[in-house]
Amino acid sequence: EAQVTQNPRYLITVTGKKLTVTCSQNMNHEYMSWYRQDPGLGLRQIYYSMNVEVTDKGDVPEGYKVSRKEKRNFPLILESPSPNQTSLYFCASSFREGGYEQYFGPGTRLTVT
Amino acid sequence: GNSVTQMEGPVTLSEEAFLTINCTYTATGYPSLFWYVQYPGEGLQLLLKATKADDKGSNKGFEATYRKETTSFHLEKGSVQVSDSAVYFCALSVPGGGADGLTFGKGTHLIIQP
Repeated sequence: EAQVTQNPRYLITVTGKKLTVTCSQNMNHEYMSWYRQDPGLGLRQIYYSMNVEVTDKGDVPEGYKVSRKEKRNFPLILESPSPNQTSLYFCASSFREGGYEQYFGPGTRLTVT
Repeated sequence: GNSVTQMEGPVTLSEEAFLTINCTYTATGYPSLFWYVQYPGEGLQLLLKATKADDKGSNKGFEATYRKETTSFHLEKGSVQVSDSAVYFCALSVPGGGADGLTFGKGTHLIIQP
C-alpha cells in the first residue's frame, strides 16, 4: 500500500529536549515536505526536499532542521524545542515539486511544555 | 507571492443541502489547483484537482472548476451527507515555478447536521 508514515503520532516533551519526528514514504517520490498546522493559520511549510541531499527552507523554518540521506526518509529535527512549536505536524511527498498531488502522512501532534 | 483565500467556518448545513465553499487565489505563473479534505483525527487527502484553466475536477460528488478570469476554484456539491463533515482546504502549486510546495488556504470547517 502506497503511504507516508510518521512516528510518533503523539509526543509530549519539555522545552529544550531534542527530538526527531520520522517520516518515510514507499512511493519512490522525489519531493518531500514538512508542514505544521495551527488553528486559524492553516498549513504552513517548514522545509522541503527536492531529492536526496537537497533541502531548502519553507515559510517557517526557524527552530527546525531536516536531512535527506535516503530518498524514502525525511526526518524533522527539533534541537531545542520551545512551547511555540506545539503544533500538528504533517509530512508529505509527491512525484516531483510543483503541480503534483502530495500524499500526506497521518500527522504528529507535538506538545512542548 | 502565492496565496489562497477561502471562506472560513464553521459552515453548518443540513443533510441534502447544496454546498459551495469559495476559494480564490493569487499566483505567479500558472498554478495547479487542489482541494484537500481532512477528516477528524486524520491527515489530508486529495479530493480533486485541476491543472489548467476551465478544467473541472470532480470526485465523490464534489466539483470545482478552474476559473482563470476570476482566479477562483470554488468547491460545490449538490447534496451533502453527514459523512462529508470535515475540514476542506483549497491549495495551489506552481509547476516549474521553483521548489515551492503547496500554498494552502486556512481551511473551512464543514458541519453537516442530520
